[in-house]
Amino acid sequence: QQQVKQSPQSLIVQKGGIPIINCAYENTAFDYFPWYQQFPGKGPALLIAIRPDVSEKKEGRFTISFNKSAKQFSLHIMDSQPGDSATYFCAARKMNRDDKIIFGKGTRLHILP
Amino acid sequence: EAGVAQSPRYKIIEKRQSVAFWCNPISGHATLYWYQQILGQGPKLLIQFQNNGVVDDSQLPKDRFSAERLKGVDSTLKIQPAKLEDSAVYLCASSLGPRTSREQFFGPGTRLTVL
Repeated sequence: QQQVKQSPQSLIVQKGGIPIINCAYENTAFDYFPWYQQFPGKGPALLIAIRPDVSEKKEGRFTISFNKSAKQFSLHIMDSQPGDSATYFCAARKMNRDDKIIFGKGTRLHILP
Repeated sequence: EAGVAQSPRYKIIEKRQSVAFWCNPISGHATLYWYQQILGQGPKLLIQFQNNGVVDDSQLPKDRFSAERLKGVDSTLKIQPAKLEDSAVYLCASSLGPRTSREQFFGPGTRLTVL
């Protein structure tokens, strides 16, 4: 059973465009939703995260939008750059329980110069 | 601050052979994790250690996989015997611990190919 569903699988955007990656979850016990960025040959690195009591969070060019009632959240990258080309994973955690990170399947993003 | 170190970076073996991976977490990090990342998927937790004790190994295929963290620092993950479906990147991560910062820092991984 896939607990965190991520789409699209891959995405190609022109430089300066705004790629949007979507995720959905089922388990309402999740209380922390991080996004990870992974470059080839590297491990995932935490990019930005949100708790369900907040509808939006911005850090630099990265924004998470969170819809608790729909159990969906998304990552937006403003003014995207070729250096943003990477694989992005949404994830969910139950910080007050077993604290496991449940990852989505990932989105391979390519920003055209 | 040095990151999580893993070795080897790449390993190619034939099925039914055994293989071992090594991880050195960030200094002072009490919690250590091993993940399996199959191509095209997100990482999946195999085992979590708190110091040298196992917290969660519910998704570790114990008939062939084993892991240890002697002295609560370095860790090794072993596969014996390997199967074709074990081809994946094995990621090690560490965090300060459950009562402090729980952000997990990942190493670069070991890419295993089983022929």
